[in-house]
Amino acid sequence: NAGVMQNPRHLVRRRGQEARLRCSPMKGHSHVYWYRQLPEEGLKFMVYLQKENIIDESGMPKERFSAEFPKEGPSILRIQQVVRGDSAAYFCASSRGQTSYSNQPQHFGDGTRLSIL
Amino acid sequence: QKEVEQDPGPLSVPEGAIVSLNCTYSNSAFQYFMWYRQYSRKGPELLMYTYSSGNKEDGRFTAQVDKSSKYISLFIRDSQPSDSATYLCAIFTQGGSEKLVFGKGMKLTVNP
Repeated sequence: NAGVMQNPRHLVRRRGQEARLRCSPMKGHSHVYWYRQLPEEGLKFMVYLQKENIIDESGMPKERFSAEFPKEGPSILRIQQVVRGDSAAYFCASSRGQTSYSNQPQHFGDGTRLSIL
Repeated sequence: QKEVEQDPGPLSVPEGAIVSLNCTYSNSAFQYFMWYRQYSRKGPELLMYTYSSGNKEDGRFTAQVDKSSKYISLFIRDSQPSDSATYLCAIFTQGGSEKLVFGKGMKLTVNP
């Protein structure tokens, strides 16, 4: 009964490199959410996806960040040309249905801790 | 004004104490209220999930919502050292975005 799986758990990149963070939702869950947790800050919403569709990306920076959730395989959060300010913990959550219409709570993975040198 | 404000911490209590954690929110459209517990280097774990005003109890945990005051609370009875973690309130609006809006979190330490 695996929960939300994120990998890698830790990722170190140099400025200017690309970071790819992966998230496999819980079994039976088709809704994926990405959140970012900066030091001394709360969790902030970035993007909400269903299979093959981005539903809400209002929390995602307009440049360098992208997300996908293909028909097969995990959801990917991609950060291009990383900068020091991207250092944070990135959490993925999944739910069986839309939280707002079907009371399906979001369950979180243990995150990827991204460090930029 | 921030959408969700959570009492600043950290909070340290002796084992067996009753703990009260609180959040206020500004948007009266918020309808779903959650408490997550986050252990160090781990992801948030859903503790309590409630929709309406009033109390919801689960073992040693009680979630309380007062929509008229826009105030939510989590009470922990007979606190244990294993309760030591960061507690996050999270709020949600039905029919709007699917995003959860979190408080900053309160770090709780229960001393044996």
